[in-house]
Amino acid sequence: SQTIHQWPATLVQPVGSPLSLECTVEGTSNPNLYWYRQAAGRGLQLLFYSVGIGQISSEVPQNLSASRPQDRQFILSSKKLLLSDSGFYLCAWRILGGRKGYEQYFGPGTRLTVT
Amino acid sequence: GENVEQHPSTLSVQEGDSAVIKCTYSDSASNYFPWYKQELGKRPQLIIDIRSNVGEKKDQRIAVTLNKTAKHFSLHITETQPEDSAVYFCAASRSDGGFKTIFGAGTRLFVKA
Repeated sequence: SQTIHQWPATLVQPVGSPLSLECTVEGTSNPNLYWYRQAAGRGLQLLFYSVGIGQISSEVPQNLSASRPQDRQFILSSKKLLLSDSGFYLCAWRILGGRKGYEQYFGPGTRLTVT
Repeated sequence: GENVEQHPSTLSVQEGDSAVIKCTYSDSASNYFPWYKQELGKRPQLIIDIRSNVGEKKDQRIAVTLNKTAKHFSLHITETQPEDSAVYFCAASRSDGGFKTIFGAGTRLFVKA
C-alpha cells in the first residue's frame, strides 16, 4: 500500500534563515504531488503542485519554491523565511486512473514556527 | 480564480442530532468533490467524496449531495456523536491541469454530549 512521509515533523527557525521540507511517497509511481500550507485555525492553501519530475506549478507568489528531483520526492524550500511563513505544511499525493483515481491523501505534516 | 465557499464556519449540535455543512464552488469545470475531517493537530482525512455524475452518495451516517446546476454541495451527518467533533473541509477539483483541489475555509463542528 501507499504511504507518504514528511520530515521534519516540527521545526523552529529564525526569520531570515533557509528552509527545506521533504516529502516522499512509497508504494506508487508517477503520482501528482502537492504542497499546502495551513495557518493556525485556518483553511488549506495550495502552494505548489507537480505532475512529474521537474514539473512544478506555483499557485501563490511568495518567497517559497518547490522542486521534484525524483518521481516520489517533493521538496519545499525558502532562501529567507518570513514570520508569515509559520504554519502547518502538508504534502499530498494522488494517483490518476483506477477506481480510486480521484482521491487525494495527505502526509503527516510539518509544523513550522518562524521566530 | 477558483473559489470554494463553506458555511457555517462553526456549528454546534447536541449528540444525536444531525449536522449539515454547505459549500458552493465557482469553477463550472469542477468534477470531483471530496470532504475531509481534521482533528486537532492532525492531517486532514478523506471521509467521503462525490463525482459530478452522481447526485448523492451515502456511507453509514454521512452523506453528500451535489447540485451541479446550482454549483453547490452539502455534507450531512446523522446521529452525531462526540467523536464527530472536528473541523470539516469541503473541496472542489477538476481532473485536468494537474488535478488541483481548492478547499473551503472549514467548519468547526462541536457535538455536545
